[in-house]
Amino acid sequence: NAGVTQTPKFQVLKTGQSMTLQCAQDMNHEYMSWYRQDPGMGLRLIHYSVGAGITDQGEVPNGYNVSRSTTEDFPLRLLSAAPSQTSVYFCASSLSGTGGFGELFFGEGSRLTVL
Amino acid sequence: GQSLEQPSEVTAVEGAIVQINCTYQTSGFYGLSWYQQHDGGAPTFLSYNALDGLEETGRFSSFLSRSDSYGYLLLQELQMKDSASYFCAPGGGTYKYIFGTGTRLKVLA
Repeated sequence: NAGVTQTPKFQVLKTGQSMTLQCAQDMNHEYMSWYRQDPGMGLRLIHYSVGAGITDQGEVPNGYNVSRSTTEDFPLRLLSAAPSQTSVYFCASSLSGTGGFGELFFGEGSRLTVL
Repeated sequence: GQSLEQPSEVTAVEGAIVQINCTYQTSGFYGLSWYQQHDGGAPTFLSYNALDGLEETGRFSSFLSRSDSYGYLLLQELQMKDSASYFCAPGGGTYKYIFGTGTRLKVLA
């Protein structure tokens, strides 16, 4: 099992460009989520999904879109990149989204710089 | 809403015991998880408490008091490799799995 795979690992964008961060998991997890982590800060929830076709906003959703067409994939789209979106992005998944999460499995992170 | 409080930094020496506290407010609380993150790495799961009391996993133990909305992570026989950030994360019925700013643990030789 590969676990949670994020691509790309590093990306540099110019202000105004759009891009998609990919996240895939092979554990048949229902729950998937995206976090961003700024230097010296904790993890802030951007969007999450409790199953295919179901997504919802987290703490900091502005400027980001998500979709969940399959159980395995949960891409994060930056619509028009801004320097404030420079961050490390983590995708995470869990077996169940019905409370009592237990263990979140994290990808290795995608380091995004917006110039 | 949801809120979390953890100390921002804790320092201890090798071989010592350290306790990292966490107080939380969340709706529809199910349980409290703890994660470790080394600099430059991804968070990794340490423990989960669904019920009140102490859960022990090797050198690490985690405690939960649901009535006090309080938990802690206890690290024993500290090693240099335990230097990392530690996050508590309450799980609730809203599925918004929120992390705080974490506690940075520095282990000194």
